[in-house]
Amino acid sequence: AQSVTQPDIHITVSEGASLELRCNYSYGATPYLFWYVQSPGQGLQLLLKYFSGDTLVQGIKGFEAEFKRSQSSFNLRKPSVHWSDAAEYFCAVAMNTGGFKTIFGAGTRLFVKA
Amino acid sequence: DTEVTQTPKHLVMGMTNKKSLKCEQHMGHRAMYWYKQKAKKPPELMFVYSYEKLSINESVPSRFSPECPNSSLLNLHLHALQPEDSALYLCASSQGRAGGVETQYFGPGTRLLVL
Repeated sequence: AQSVTQPDIHITVSEGASLELRCNYSYGATPYLFWYVQSPGQGLQLLLKYFSGDTLVQGIKGFEAEFKRSQSSFNLRKPSVHWSDAAEYFCAVAMNTGGFKTIFGAGTRLFVKA
Repeated sequence: DTEVTQTPKHLVMGMTNKKSLKCEQHMGHRAMYWYKQKAKKPPELMFVYSYEKLSINESVPSRFSPECPNSSLLNLHLHALQPEDSALYLCASSQGRAGGVETQYFGPGTRLLVL
């Protein structure tokens, strides 16, 4: 069965420090992978996606993610975190099964300390 | 215009009420989705419409009734809900190309409280 695991429920980093959020997926076919960010009480905003091609993908707000097939991972990184990055981050895997279906990980809550 | 709008922003209803949530997009997308998100949990897919036809129903109770009157509009009719149905209800849309995997655009959600 398809699944997405985000092993860290929450992470705290200092402003200006680097960030890595982990994501592992389980899917038998070629994965289509996404990272979304959600501020409290808000909808989801797409940060970046991987469908094929270059395994290092760039997104908005200075985020990037690297797809590693051998590790079934799609970790999100940012070299220098800003206080405004504090939010919930969701990794997701998508498939087309007669209708487009997305499965989300449990999420990682990012706290940024001054 | 890359926006998905949802109304109302907040809704409080009793267990005997009937209410509807509305979602609208004007991006020409042909696939639309309803998700339910409980506090501190990820979104869970409820329904998918593709070209105004229901293509996925994730075994959602019948007290939730979706409707897609046209390609721009998606409704979720609510009747006889339970307090545990209180959640953030998110709508999303995507281009709807057959066989493709696509980017979904999410609305801001409707915060529902059932008393």
